Amino acid sequence: DGGITQSPKYLFRKEGQNVTLSCEQNLNHDAMYWYRQDPGQGLRLIYYSQIVNDFQKGDIAEGYSVSREKKESFPLTVTSAQKNPTAFYLCASRNLNGAKNIQYFGAGTRLSVL
Amino acid sequence: GQNIDQPTEMTATEGAIVQINCTYQTSGFNGLFWYQQHAGEAPTFLSYNVLDGLEEKGRFSSFLSRSKGYSYLLLKELQMKDSASYLCAVRVRQAGTALIFGKGTTLSVSS
Repeated sequence: DGGITQSPKYLFRKEGQNVTLSCEQNLNHDAMYWYRQDPGQGLRLIYYSQIVNDFQKGDIAEGYSVSREKKESFPLTVTSAQKNPTAFYLCASRNLNGAKNIQYFGAGTRLSVL
Repeated sequence: GQNIDQPTEMTATEGAIVQINCTYQTSGFNGLFWYQQHAGEAPTFLSYNVLDGLEEKGRFSSFLSRSKGYSYLLLKELQMKDSASYLCAVRVRQAGTALIFGKGTTLSVSS
């Protein structure tokens, strides 16, 4: 099946701990994105990447880090510097050459702090 | 700055028609998207407008007026499964290829 796979579905973080959220896509999409969603809030952009080995900060990048070593993978690390990490994290991807360039989403990871 | 406004909540009954409005103030407009999101799930694509006018797709239609910075999503023959959040998102050139999202409109459909 083609799509975007996020894992794990639920994740718990202890104080001072770094955690990594996985995002893999087999759609051969060029661009990948990470968004954060809080209750009553819209999706806010954390990081995005349009090509391998390159990524750009979004509106709320502080306390997060990413890598793009392979086209299919765009993991997000929530570092201990992120003081309020509890949220729903959504990964997305799109093909830069498509006419509509629709952005598709994974099923999300819900992160909570212990 | 970039700003997207949509109503927080709306209610409607089965079989009715509902219109969800979205206004935006952005520079470098490069397309407007509507997504549907059920609670705890990923957003799914509904419609895309880049030129003025109406796009129809089954029970859903979306309209865009670029001069007014305005769009609406029209849902006809409402069903209970249409209860969800509807997200308006704008793509702007300055943001590279990412989307800027409104806070979403939660629609509740009752029988």
